[in-house]
Order: sequence, then C-alpha cells, then structure tokens
Amino acid sequence: DAGVTQSPTHLIKTRGQQVTLRCSPKSGHDTVSWYQQALGQGPQFIFQYYEEEERQRGNFPDRFSGHQFPNYSSELNVNALLLGDSALYLCASSRDRVRQPQHFGDGTRLSIL
Amino acid sequence: GENVEQHPSTLSVQEGDSAVIKCTYSDSASNYFPWYKQELGKRPQLIIDIRSNVGEKKDQRIAVTLNKTAKHFSLHITETQPEDSAVYFCAASKRNDYKLSFGAGTTVTVRA
Repeated sequence: DAGVTQSPTHLIKTRGQQVTLRCSPKSGHDTVSWYQQALGQGPQFIFQYYEEEERQRGNFPDRFSGHQFPNYSSELNVNALLLGDSALYLCASSRDRVRQPQHFGDGTRLSIL
Repeated sequence: GENVEQHPSTLSVQEGDSAVIKCTYSDSASNYFPWYKQELGKRPQLIIDIRSNVGEKKDQRIAVTLNKTAKHFSLHITETQPEDSAVYFCAASKRNDYKLSFGAGTTVTVRA
C-alpha cells in the first residue's frame, strides 16, 4: 500500500520564478493538505483540498495556489518566488469521513537562490 | 488562531531513561492532538494521537496524556533507545477545522 508520494524531491529556483509541486495521496484518502516547514520550525498550514476545491486556507499570500484532480492528487503552485519561500513543502492526506489523522509525504525541498 | 507551545526545545536523555515533552494550546475548542516524529531528512511520522474525550492513551513505550482544564498535553517515552533520537512535534486541531497547528518541535537525543 503506497503512502503519500511527492515530487520532485529537491528543486532549485531563482527569485521571481514559478514552481509546481506534486502530491499523490495515500490509497483510500481523498483529502490533501499542504504545509510549509522552514528549517528548525514546525510545519505551517498552507491550505487543504477536498472534492477538487480549496476548503480551508492558512495565512499565506495569493502567490500560493493549488489544485486537486479527480484522482485526488494535488499540485501546489507558488508564483513570484521569494528567498523566504525556501523551505520543505509537505503534503499530507487523510480520509474526509474520518478527518484525522493526516499522513505526510517525504516533502519537496525548495531552495530559492 | 490556535497557538501551540512546546517545551523543551531540546532534550538529552540517557538510554533507558524516560523522556517527557509538554505542549500547551490556546483554544479550548481543540479536540484532536497528534504527535509526530521526524528523523533527519524524513517525513513527519504519526506516532500517537489522542482525542479530547480521552485522558490518556498508551502504545507500547509511548503514552500521551491530556489535561483539558489546563489545556496541555504531554508525550511520555519510557525506556528510551537510540532510535528514539529525532525531532518530535505536537499538534492540535479544532472541531470543524481541518488544519493542524504545530508546536516548534523538540529535538530528543538519546545517549548510549
């Protein structure tokens, strides 16, 4: 049974560029949440997708956007990258009927130069 | 929003001793409290969770206690082993809220 998978593993971008990160949820899960984890800190909630809609959003600017596909996989897009966007981006999936717990992927390490 | 504070930030214990990490939360509506273990370069892994209708939960060497009145919950690891060395995060979630609010993490080092 595959867990949450994310791609790519690492990514290097420059300021002002745009990036797309991808996530496939754990089998049987239909809800995907995205978190940003800066070095030495706990994950911060970006947003959650369910039934292809953004259901809840954290305190992140509109440069952060997402999408969920009919197969429940999801993308995180970040536009106009800033140096401060350098972080580990984690995807977590869950079953909406149960709501919790959330299971995390290995993350995408994004470095902005 | 929910604010979760976690203490201590670092913890060093001798192998075989116990480790205790404490978290406090601000919103009395919080009703779900998971703990995650994150080894270097790896994903946060759920190790135990507790809901507000339960005061204590145990899974082998790991236990979590919840004090709703004081709004704090704690992770207890007994008979620590070197493989317990990692960063541990507590989190809280409110009823009708989908996000997890995390603490800043505790780096646990188990000395052989």
